[in-house]
Amino acid sequence: GQSLEQPSEVTAVEGAIVQINCTYQTSGFYGLSWYQQHDGGAPTFLSYNALDGLEETGRFSSFLSRSDSYGYLLLQELQMKDSASYFCAVSRSGGYQKVTFGTGTKLQVIP
Amino acid sequence: ETGVTQTPRHLVMGMTNKKSLKCEQHLGHNAMYWYKQSAKKPLELMFVYSLEERVENNSVPSRFSPECPNSSHLFLHLHTLQPEDSALYLCASSQGGGRVGKLFFGSGTQLSVL
Repeated sequence: GQSLEQPSEVTAVEGAIVQINCTYQTSGFYGLSWYQQHDGGAPTFLSYNALDGLEETGRFSSFLSRSDSYGYLLLQELQMKDSASYFCAVSRSGGYQKVTFGTGTKLQVIP
Repeated sequence: ETGVTQTPRHLVMGMTNKKSLKCEQHLGHNAMYWYKQSAKKPLELMFVYSLEERVENNSVPSRFSPECPNSSHLFLHLHTLQPEDSALYLCASSQGGGRVGKLFFGSGTQLSVL
């Protein structure tokens, strides 16, 4: 089976940097995705890592270490609107997107 | 706006009712999904349709019945539900088997079973 672990809650100050970690166990691993979900909203795709290393997209960066089965999402220059839940998800082999999600990390950005 | 539309946004039903959730995607994708989101639990994959064929059914009780009449539309028919079925039901779509882990979600239907 698959399992993903991430912290349940994180609090950070506006303007600061926060890192949300994710460890996973799965067979047929292809890559690690990150999604953002605001209260009452739809999960939205943020990033995907298939290879080891850092991927940067604006204020958000995502890192993957396949050998350690570990990844993280880095949010810089935090804004109040970044308060949301963040989910890591693993993609597995298949003819469609076999995506399994973690339980999510609720990020609260405070002034 | 993600290109995936779900209706209704909210639904309250009794345990003996029959209702249907509807999902429509305007992205030209060829795979569609139903996920269940309960408080403090991971998103649970329920069903996957790829090219209108059901390719995954994750041990979902038979009181949930999916239907995919074409690549743009997905339904979830509900009957004789239980209170523990109360949750947010999310529809998603993707383009085939690309290894990019990218799903496009609708805003969901918040279901309450009384």
